[in-house]
Formats: sequence, structure tokens, C-alpha cells
Amino acid sequence: GAVVSQHPSWVICKSGTSVKIECRSLDFQATTMFWYRQFPKQSLMLMATSNEGSKATYEQGVEKDKFLINHASLTLSTLTVTSAHPEDSSFYICSARAGDTGELFFGEGSRLTVL
Amino acid sequence: SQQGEEDPQALSIQEGENATMNCSYKTSINNLQWYRQNSGRGLVHLILIRSNEREKHSGRLRVTLDTSKKSSSLLITASRAADTASYFCATGTSYGKLTFGQGTILTVHP
Repeated sequence: GAVVSQHPSWVICKSGTSVKIECRSLDFQATTMFWYRQFPKQSLMLMATSNEGSKATYEQGVEKDKFLINHASLTLSTLTVTSAHPEDSSFYICSARAGDTGELFFGEGSRLTVL
Repeated sequence: SQQGEEDPQALSIQEGENATMNCSYKTSINNLQWYRQNSGRGLVHLILIRSNEREKHSGRLRVTLDTSKKSSSLLITASRAADTASYFCATGTSYGKLTFGQGTILTVHP
């Protein structure tokens, strides 16, 4: 089946640094990718919708200057958490929508811990 | 914003019993999906039911959808310890945007 790969699967960084998380569709082209954030014991909250070649659409309350999203190709979207702080520690999950079938596939998630 | 409300928030049962989880939502939907998440892992898609469908089966899973009540239920029959996980409903748009419910934590005791 289709696979979406997220990298890194976990990362620990110091407060103030920036962290980039990649989301790749391995065997299909993803016209749209979605980024979600999940705090411990909570549900997934959509952060932004990323369309290839255009600017991401951010959900209300999500700072676009802090969470930079780039969808430069049909198989790769990146989320960069800039100047990370401990409150940004969370589980970040992407999903990719196959352009031909419209099916959605989720990555395994990336756990960010900011010290 | 979270559209779906799920109940119960936590469910603890013995192996072999059935588990029923409910989900309610607020706005019109294109489809409703159920996902499973093991602790600290990504999501596994279980089943999708479209707005014009009322019931769907997949193995030990049975999903119902009542658009008049804006609610859905997931039934897992003959549960196993390996079914222990969090289960989320999510309402979807035609272009793939999902809004997740709060989730139900299911614990199946051997």
C-alpha cells in the first residue's frame, strides 16, 4: 500500500532552535498534504493544509511565521518549527492526499521535545 | 476546531466482549472516517463511510452513520487484547481535510 514517511521520527532540541520535519509520499504523488499536532492524551488538531507549489493555508490560531510549511514537490512537504519553545513539544503528524485517487495516507508522526 | 465529540472517553472491557464507541458531529459532512492509534504511533485508517451510506462492515468492525442525528458508531466485535488503542472519528471534506473527534481510549484486558 501507499506509504508516507516522516523524518525524523523523534527529535530533541534546545529552546530557541529551529527544527525541520519532512513528510514524503514514497510511491504516489500528493497534491495536498496536511499537518496535524497532537498533545499528549489529546486528539489531532489540524495546523495547516499544504498544496504543492502554493502557500499553505493555516488554521485559525496557528502562527504561520512560527510553523513554516513548504510543499516544493509532489512528494515532499516540510514543517519547520522556528525558535522552538517547550510548549511546542508535541507529536506532529502529516497526511498526504493522493492526487489520482484522492485517498489519504498518514505518516507515523514525529515527536518533538524542546528542552 | 474540533467538530467531533466521542463517547465514552475511555472504555475498558474483557477480551471477547464487544466494544461500541460513538461519535457526534456538528456540520454537514462528505464522509466520516474511523482511525486507530496505538500509543505514540501514527494513525491507521479503519473504515470510511460516506454521507449517503448508513452502515458499513469490515471484518470485526461495524460502522453506522445517522446523518439526521449527526452521529456515528464504531462496533468492534469479539475484541482482542491487540485492539487496545485510541480510536478517533474524523469528518472529512472532499479534498481530504479531516476534523478529528476527541477519541476513545479502549483497553481490552486478556
